[in-house]
Amino acid sequence: DAKTTQPPSMDCAEGRAANLPCNHSTISGNEYVYWYRQIHSQGPQYIIHGLKNNETNEMASLIITEDRKSSTLILPHATLRDTAVYYCIAPKPYGNKLVFGAGTILRVKS
Amino acid sequence: DTAVSQTPKYLVTQMGNDKSIKCEQNLGHDTMYWYKQDSKKFLKIMFSYNNKELIINETVPNRFSPKSPDKAHLNLHINSLELGDSAVYFCASSQPGNRKETQYFGPGTRLLVL
Repeated sequence: DAKTTQPPSMDCAEGRAANLPCNHSTISGNEYVYWYRQIHSQGPQYIIHGLKNNETNEMASLIITEDRKSSTLILPHATLRDTAVYYCIAPKPYGNKLVFGAGTILRVKS
Repeated sequence: DTAVSQTPKYLVTQMGNDKSIKCEQNLGHDTMYWYKQDSKKFLKIMFSYNNKELIINETVPNRFSPKSPDKAHLNLHINSLELGDSAVYFCASSQPGNRKETQYFGPGTRLLVL
């Protein structure tokens, strides 16, 4: 898996956009970037993934730089329920497993 | 309907006992996993099964024995429980096909060994 680096924690005001960065400078051409989150006392939850192009779904947007060395997960209107640990993962293709790091603790505050 | 379910949710037991945790998914997925999250909150894969066949075993002590009676179920049996086995165990499943990094996790089983 490509190594990913995330800030240990971030705060965000409720209703504002939460922008979570991730560095993955050693990512190879066929490795996707995946984002998961884990709300307290729950199992990890898949959010979004992408390869080169920006992606958007009902939960979030994923912006990947042109050189693919970093990406940003955007929660457009953060709510208190978005408080969680967010994991950026670049798994080895067809490796059939996820390697979780420490992630970023996002605290959404009212 | 719960997509990935685990039983029990909580398990408190004595050292040396043998216990099982069960997992079921109703998503029609072919691949299932067990992950362990320890007190430091790091989540690590233990096992993966594809269509009832073991495909990943991440150097887990042989006291841990997964069993997959069919592709919708993956159980974890732990013999001779030790204090260090205390953790949260998560089951997950992924879609058929080549890319299996989109995984769906269960709610976890909180194991406490006394």
